[in-house]
Amino acid sequence: GAVVSQHPSRVICKSGTSVKIECRSLDFQATTMFWYRQFPKQSLMLMATSNEGSKATYEQGVEKDKFLINHASLTLSTLTVTSAHPEDSSFYICSYSGGSYEQYFGPGTRLTVT
Amino acid sequence: QKEVEQDPGPLSVPEGAIVSLNCTYSNSAFQYFMWYRQYSRKGPELLMYTYSSGNKEDGRFTAQVDKSSKYISLFIRDSQPSDSATYLCATATQGGSEKLVFGKGTKLTVNP
Repeated sequence: GAVVSQHPSRVICKSGTSVKIECRSLDFQATTMFWYRQFPKQSLMLMATSNEGSKATYEQGVEKDKFLINHASLTLSTLTVTSAHPEDSSFYICSYSGGSYEQYFGPGTRLTVT
Repeated sequence: QKEVEQDPGPLSVPEGAIVSLNCTYSNSAFQYFMWYRQYSRKGPELLMYTYSSGNKEDGRFTAQVDKSSKYISLFIRDSQPSDSATYLCATATQGGSEKLVFGKGTKLTVNP
């Protein structure tokens, strides 16, 4: 399967600051990628879908001005959590579409907002 | 009712046991069914992928889909301690948006 990396793997930030998470596809190019959030003992919840070169499509209830997604190239996408608050603490995971509904996930980023 | 229901467990079995993991779903439009394995603090990795009803086998793993009852299963034969992980079922429609809907995941522990 495809190799996807995320950076950082873990980040702790203070309330009110912004955090950027990078997602890279290391061995293939993908036009569509997804950002998920996973709370403890909960399922992965899709936050947004983005296509390279166009604006992301956000799921209902996800604030697009708070979670900024930039799909700058076929191998790089970033998620910026702006003005983070403790309730934003979660495990954020990106994935790239491999077609036929296969998705390849990154290792995730653990965000803790104090 | 959630679109995909999955018993979160936890499930603990001895090494060598046959494991049965199950999900139910409510949307009859779902056509694609997947099982992902997620180790602690890692991203999910695709285990099995099936389209519509039927069985699919890959080594010690067998995935079953029964669309008439909206029931999907994953069987693990000769379970190993390395199989200890959280297993998530996922579904998708034919809509082409490639959005996956996940179950909560079942935490499995295989004891040596």
